[in-house]
Amino acid sequence: SAVISQKPSRDICQRGTSLTIQCQVDSQVTMMFWYRQQPGQSLTLIATANQGSEATYESGFVIDKFPISRPNLTFSTLTVSNMSPEDSSIYLCSVDRASADTQYFGPGTRLTVL
Amino acid sequence: GENVEQHPSTLSVQEGDSAVIKCTYSDSASNYFPWYKQELGKRPQLIIDIRSNVGEKKDQRIAVTLNKTAKHFSLHITETQPEDSAVYFCAASRGSGNTPLVFGKGTRLSVIA
Repeated sequence: SAVISQKPSRDICQRGTSLTIQCQVDSQVTMMFWYRQQPGQSLTLIATANQGSEATYESGFVIDKFPISRPNLTFSTLTVSNMSPEDSSIYLCSVDRASADTQYFGPGTRLTVL
Repeated sequence: GENVEQHPSTLSVQEGDSAVIKCTYSDSASNYFPWYKQELGKRPQLIIDIRSNVGEKKDQRIAVTLNKTAKHFSLHITETQPEDSAVYFCAASRGSGNTPLVFGKGTRLSVIA
């Protein structure tokens, strides 16, 4: 498995503000994935982050709302911009450490927007 | 794109009984099928996975079966225990390495002591 950490673990934010979530992995990985889990729901892929190129976004998610950085092979950030209460969710990063399809998840960031 | 359907959404069983959760997928190119267990307030944890070149895989009380022709796969938990209570998610991907997962909607399993 991989050791994955996320910061912050939780936050409460005011509408209209932005929050940047960090994901750190203990070893180099090619791809990092960002998922959203709304309360009581399943996991939905936001985007795939590859080091050295722009992230690839899924339908319904746009770069202006969820900008992603991937400065190196062990780190990525996801920003939730201009937040509204509908953005209240858990945001999780995941990695496929050995490019073997098995994905491991970070502990998640629980975001509440008031 | 891929669509994964999962049933049932909730399942209650008596301790010691078996539990079965079923998923279907739509993309015939999918060939990797993991199952995750998520306890309240925690991250999803991989419990078992199967690839399309295998029909069944077992790990102690947990087994997964795959029917490629029918495009469905199932999770079987035998001799259930209260600590098996959690939300279980199935997922599918094309499995070419570094491929994102598409998840089912989840099954909330309650094991009643």
